[in-house]
Amino acid sequence: AQSVAQPEDQVNVAEGNPLTVKCTYSVSGNPYLFWYVQYPNRGLQFLLKYITGDNLVKGSYGFEAEFNKSQTSFHLKKPSALVSDSALYFCAVRAANQGGKLIFGQGTELSVKP
Amino acid sequence: EAQVTQNPRYLITVTGKKLTVTCSQNMNHEYMSWYRQDPGLGLRQIYYSMNVEVTDKGDVPEGYKVSRKEKRNFPLILESPSPNQTSLYFCASTLTGDYNEQFFGPGTRLTVL
Repeated sequence: AQSVAQPEDQVNVAEGNPLTVKCTYSVSGNPYLFWYVQYPNRGLQFLLKYITGDNLVKGSYGFEAEFNKSQTSFHLKKPSALVSDSALYFCAVRAANQGGKLIFGQGTELSVKP
Repeated sequence: EAQVTQNPRYLITVTGKKLTVTCSQNMNHEYMSWYRQDPGLGLRQIYYSMNVEVTDKGDVPEGYKVSRKEKRNFPLILESPSPNQTSLYFCASTLTGDYNEQFFGPGTRLTVL
């Protein structure tokens, strides 16, 4: 069965420090991996995706993610966190030829303190 | 502006009273989907549609219906809502293709008393 795990319910970092939000996945075949961010009272916004090619993917707002096939991970990173990065982050995976369904992790609440 | 819209944004209703949540997109996307978001569970797919008149069940379809009579609209129908359907609902759309990101609506917070 396909699944996504975000092992941390909450991540706390100080402004200016690097941040990492972890994601591991399980899917048969080649995965398409996505990160979304949800600000309070808003819908999900797309941050970045991995389809193929370079394992380091760059996205919106200075975020990047590293695809690691051997560890089946797709961790979200940012070199220097901002208070405005505080939000709920979701990792999602879609397997090829599965009707387009996205499987989401449970979400990680990122809190960046000044 | 390219967007997915949902109405209403907030709804409080009582058990058994039929309701419809509308979803519309202006991007000419073939694929549309409904999700529900519950704390600690992430988002789970309720129903999806690959194109007009083509719909299929997601992971949690019980108690819901959908229709896709036009490409831009994908309403979610709760024929007899129950308290366990209290949740935050999102509509999403995308172009066909597993590698395309989905665009989400702003959400509908539903409370069933």
